Amino acid sequence: RKEVEQDPGPFNVPEGATVAFNCTYSNSASQSFFWYRQDCRKEPKLLMSVYSSGNEDGRFTAQLNRASQYISLLIRDSKLSDSATYLCVVKHPSNTGKLIFGQGTTLQVKP
Amino acid sequence: GAVVSQHPSWVICKSGTSVKIECRSLDFQATTMFWYRQFPKQSLMLMATSNEGSKATYEQGVEKDKFLINHASLTLSTLTVTSAHPEDSSFYICSARAWGGSTDTQYFGPGTRLTVL
Repeated sequence: RKEVEQDPGPFNVPEGATVAFNCTYSNSASQSFFWYRQDCRKEPKLLMSVYSSGNEDGRFTAQLNRASQYISLLIRDSKLSDSATYLCVVKHPSNTGKLIFGQGTTLQVKP
Repeated sequence: GAVVSQHPSWVICKSGTSVKIECRSLDFQATTMFWYRQFPKQSLMLMATSNEGSKATYEQGVEKDKFLINHASLTLSTLTVTSAHPEDSSFYICSARAWGGSTDTQYFGPGTRLTVL
């Protein structure tokens, strides 16, 4: 089983749609979780951290379910500029700082 | 946010040659840097953890004699792909860890695209 699993998609949605991405992780000792965005041929960029109580940043909402080891990202009112690959990332529970990346979910927002 | 640079941004080389990639933290000191590799349509895979002043820690399956890592200063880590072959063609990305107090953040470089002919 992969340490971090995501549905690779692609998700093709019209502008204005709401889209949700899911992610599961295998190590129950993990404490820190993130969503990164990666554009084609570019480095990943931090979109948002994921907190236990859930957190929102504008049109983006992240949620964490520790019991199910499940992380989600909701994007409301999709924009063309949201088209990218979204990476679910879990920090290794050791103090090494290592990040474990999911395969990524590709989103294509169409006019 | 903090800035991490990589050089070169892309390189094309012949099979059998060695290629050095530099990763620099421009406005902070990083005792730890990480090297990742990303093949097309795949996610980032951690290759090794680079620690300033000590040997790098390699992930399982990564050959330390092929991918030489040197972290000689708090702002510079280098990855040398020795005797490169076409299967080494990939996108190599570094990150630098900024941590202290309540902060523990990784800043990514822009990546280096290696093509081995």
